[in-house]
Amino acid sequence: DADVTQTPRNRITKTGKRIMLECSQTKGHDRMYWYRQDPGLGLRLIYYSFDVKDINKGEISDGYSVSRQAQAKFSLSLESAIPNQTALYFCATSDRTGGSNQPQHFGDGTRLSIL
Amino acid sequence: GQSLEQPSEVTAVEGAIVQINCTYQTSGFYGLSWYQQHDGGAPTFLSYNALDGLEETGRFSSFLSRSDSYGYLLLQELQMKDSASYFCAVLVGKSTFGDGTTLTVKP
Repeated sequence: DADVTQTPRNRITKTGKRIMLECSQTKGHDRMYWYRQDPGLGLRLIYYSFDVKDINKGEISDGYSVSRQAQAKFSLSLESAIPNQTALYFCATSDRTGGSNQPQHFGDGTRLSIL
Repeated sequence: GQSLEQPSEVTAVEGAIVQINCTYQTSGFYGLSWYQQHDGGAPTFLSYNALDGLEETGRFSSFLSRSDSYGYLLLQELQMKDSASYFCAVLVGKSTFGDGTTLTVKP
């Protein structure tokens, strides 16, 4: 089983719908992240959480919200989806020990299309 | 804010050596990371430099010069499977990734 699991893997939906992407991890890491990736571009940070009670906005948080339900679960919601939110979404985790040099471990991504 | 610049594409032949450069501008700096991504799959961690100098991991090496705000990833003995996108990143607080360099390895 994958250490970082994202569901669903693919989703097609319509403008205005509310969508939730889910991420769960078995790595025991405290830190979790949501990114989006557009074609030909790098990963842009949407939100990050360093523990269950800690939620922080990233570079592009507008139009998104998150919930850290437990250490192992971090979900991303699009309150009212719009076509320019069509992208590949990744969840990642990292261990807090050792500071910023801990590598991030990524899920396989969710490919989201908004019509 | 933070920004990282890297070339968009690099092409090399099997068995060759290729260097992917990355320059960065950051408000705080704790190290430069490198990730590999195949065809929209999960990015995977390759290397990290906190201090100036060269870090070697098998065929891959990474270099950092903090005074020049510059680093590079060196791939030796290129194989076809090395064709992928490579990202440099600064992972402090608000993680920032470069836009990636697409490496194409030709026979």
